[in-house]
Amino acid sequence: DGGITQSPKYLFRKEGQNVTLSCEQNLNHDAMYWYRQDPGQGLRLIYYSQIVNDFQKGDIAEGYSVSREKKESFPLTVTSAQKNPTAFYLCASSIRVDSEMNTEAFFGQGTRLTVV
Amino acid sequence: GENVEQHPSTLSVQEGDSAVIKCTYSDSASNYFPWYKQELGKGPQLIIDIRSNVGEKKDQRIAVTLNKTAKHFSLHITETQPEDSAVYFCAVGSRAGTALIFGKGTTLSVSS
Repeated sequence: DGGITQSPKYLFRKEGQNVTLSCEQNLNHDAMYWYRQDPGQGLRLIYYSQIVNDFQKGDIAEGYSVSREKKESFPLTVTSAQKNPTAFYLCASSIRVDSEMNTEAFFGQGTRLTVV
Repeated sequence: GENVEQHPSTLSVQEGDSAVIKCTYSDSASNYFPWYKQELGKGPQLIIDIRSNVGEKKDQRIAVTLNKTAKHFSLHITETQPEDSAVYFCAVGSRAGTALIFGKGTTLSVSS
């Protein structure tokens, strides 16, 4: 089955440690995204990537880093510089079309990160 | 940048009633308006979307309307059922190469 896989579903880390969240897709999508979800805040964009080896900062990129070495994978690292890392993290992907139109984003099931 | 406002933040209805959620956006260049449904502990799923060259779209009990002049679009759910209870997000997309910008969500509760 095609889809987006985020792992793990739950993650616990001690304060001051870096942690990497995995996101893999087999939909052959060019574009991938990371969003953060907090209660009452909706989905806020952290980073996105339209093609391999290229990515752009979103609205809340500080304290996060990403890489896009393969089309299928877009891991997110939450660094110790992120002041409030406890949240629900969502990865998404979409087809990148050569037009002026945006397209549907398909989401993974999310990773709930708790930093203690 | 784009700013998306979504109202109301919570909505409670009786089974069989209609529910309406409204979003406004700021960028007149925006051309893609999807609605997502998120169940507890899961990722959002697309339920309906509309592009700027269309004023209304319907899929069974759900519909979306778009008013480009006023820069707002709405989700309409008719004959609500308990399984419609979830968080609903509107989103706005502009040109290819950018990411969707989401509203803050509406928690819909349908009581039987």
